[in-house]
Amino acid sequence: DTGVSQNPRHKITKRGQNVTFRCDPISEHNRLYWYRQTLGQGPEFLTYFQNEAQLEKSRLLSDRFSAERPKGSFSTLEIQRTEQGDSAMYLCASTPTGTEAFFGQGTRLTVV
Amino acid sequence: LAKTTQPISMDSYEGQEVNITCSHNNIATNDYITWYQQFPSQGPRFIIQGYKTKVTNEVASLFIPADRKSSTLSLPRVSLSDTAVYYCLVGGSARQLTFGSGTQLTVLP
Repeated sequence: DTGVSQNPRHKITKRGQNVTFRCDPISEHNRLYWYRQTLGQGPEFLTYFQNEAQLEKSRLLSDRFSAERPKGSFSTLEIQRTEQGDSAMYLCASTPTGTEAFFGQGTRLTVV
Repeated sequence: LAKTTQPISMDSYEGQEVNITCSHNNIATNDYITWYQQFPSQGPRFIIQGYKTKVTNEVASLFIPADRKSSTLSLPRVSLSDTAVYYCLVGGSARQLTFGSGTQLTVLP
């Protein structure tokens, strides 16, 4: 399968714990995006990488959130000191051209 | 970023053609119009993209009038499996991907 892969698919954590999600984009896609989606809403942009450089961050990305893309390949999104409001689906997408984006199936985070 | 407006929901019956219209009055000269489909608990899936006039692929057609202030996604002969949320996006590159709330299409038997 050469699509965008996200792990884990589901994560349940206690409030205050740190969590890390991984995204493996389609090979050679130099652009990678993270989105967050809550029930009944469209995906909200979090951050964007071109290769290993993080070029854009949403104001939604508080200081508890950090994303990396070492060597321009896979990416990780870490949330520190999770809060119940962080419960959402976290989506990763990649694209080679900047137009058609390919999304993974997402990681559903539940903070209890 | 150009804002888009689309109906919150639509119902249709199997076998019918469905047209979902999106308005984007502030579209910029270099903006493309892109539609995505999303099923529950899955990431959005690209359907079609266009700049002007008409674009057709194996799953849908996209109609864009000359002023480009709106666009219409046309799904021919829908089936139950087309029940999903459809998003209209406007932007010059994926860097500007901004999703609205989308249109929930429900196909009835």
